[in-house]
Amino acid sequence: GAVVSQHPSRVICKSGTSVKIECRSLDFQATTMFWYRQFPKQSLMLMATSNEGSKATYEQGVEKDKFLINHASLTLSTLTVTSAHPEDSSFYICSARTRLAGAYEQYFGPGTRLTVT
Amino acid sequence: QQQVKQSPQSLIVQKGGISIINCAYENTAFDYFPWYQQFPGKGPALLIAIRPDVSEKKEGRFTISFNKSAKQFSLHIMDSQPGDSATYFCAASTVSGGGADGLTFGKGTHLIIQP
Repeated sequence: GAVVSQHPSRVICKSGTSVKIECRSLDFQATTMFWYRQFPKQSLMLMATSNEGSKATYEQGVEKDKFLINHASLTLSTLTVTSAHPEDSSFYICSARTRLAGAYEQYFGPGTRLTVT
Repeated sequence: QQQVKQSPQSLIVQKGGISIINCAYENTAFDYFPWYQQFPGKGPALLIAIRPDVSEKKEGRFTISFNKSAKQFSLHIMDSQPGDSATYFCAASTVSGGGADGLTFGKGTHLIIQP
């Protein structure tokens, strides 16, 4: 149980284009999902909190107009990187929050490797 | 975000030995402390998590020790195996709305188990 998927797993795009990444909770509903970014050999940095049916909350320093987040249903959140540039190349990982047996946990997706050329 | 300090940065342990990774935090509002294991090119996988109302939690070969007064917690991997070779992250968050908030991660520990 508690499986989270991401699509695509890898994407290469040209500078100036937009890319959409999907995050799905497959066997549970998640009112809250999170988006993280991880640069090579570095830690994960929280970008934003995505709540179903409401606007996302962005961390300080994350451009909300560049990283558009939509949480349209209890099992799907999307991250759109608009007007992508090479410095946006990174590993983007989502997590979904759920409560199992009285304990709350975050389960992560497999990540999406974005390369902007 | 408040920082979570993790050490060591890298660790080499012989097969069958005990791997110990330490973390310290600053924000006393943190109320949830998970450990994640990550293999190259993959997302982090939850190993074990603890809340500050207990001082220790054990699941199989993995144990979290928690010291609230010192604001420190550690992961112990007993009988370490080559398959445990991975990067380990500690994390912390506050709790609201029935669940843990966005996580603040440590910088990670690259663990190598030598056969």
